[in-house]
Amino acid sequence: EPEVTQTPSHQVTQMGQEVILRCVPISNHLYFYWYRQILGQKVEFLVSFYNNEISEKSEIFDDQFSVERPDGSNFTLKIRSTKLEDSAMYFCASSARQVSNQPQHFGDGTRLSIL
Amino acid sequence: AQKITQTQPGMFVQEKEAVTLDCTYDTSDPSYGLFWYKQPSSGEMIFLIYQGSYDQQNATEGRYSLNFQKARKSANLVISASQLGDSAMYFCAMRESQGGKLIFGQGTELSVKP
Repeated sequence: EPEVTQTPSHQVTQMGQEVILRCVPISNHLYFYWYRQILGQKVEFLVSFYNNEISEKSEIFDDQFSVERPDGSNFTLKIRSTKLEDSAMYFCASSARQVSNQPQHFGDGTRLSIL
Repeated sequence: AQKITQTQPGMFVQEKEAVTLDCTYDTSDPSYGLFWYKQPSSGEMIFLIYQGSYDQQNATEGRYSLNFQKARKSANLVISASQLGDSAMYFCAMRESQGGKLIFGQGTELSVKP
């Protein structure tokens, strides 16, 4: 069964450094998402992406964050200057269509630890 | 504003028994989808079951079923014949017709006792 893959599974970075989280969505999916889950808390939406553009972003997704689809398969989340509070699990998700009856399929997540 | 509420932070169930995990939601959109995801201790998010707002019948998927009560705005997950491998966090989520994002509840941690 096709799946969303995320790399790396765990990233440790010094505060102030840039980090890039990578995702390969399911190949025939057109809508891509990033979510964040701080340890012990609920999953929070960051950004959605379609047709090479951001379609929606949350208040969390400030100027430190950016997303890109550099080629036909990868979807990346960049955090420009990391802060301690960026430590979280980051999930990439994709769906075939952006309608209410379509589930989003999640990757296994990247655990980001900021020191 | 759309909102998902899971009021049970933790639940215990005996192996082989059924358990119900509660979820209530709030939305003004007449068309929406409700989803349940399982998050084992390893961290991945696994899609379990979906219920559409216009679906007449409750969704079922193997041992999972969804008790959908539209007037009460509730979408409770029922797991029958619990197994030790069902121990995990369970998240209820909603997706509206006009938006792509999922809104998640706080989650319920289910522990299955042998």
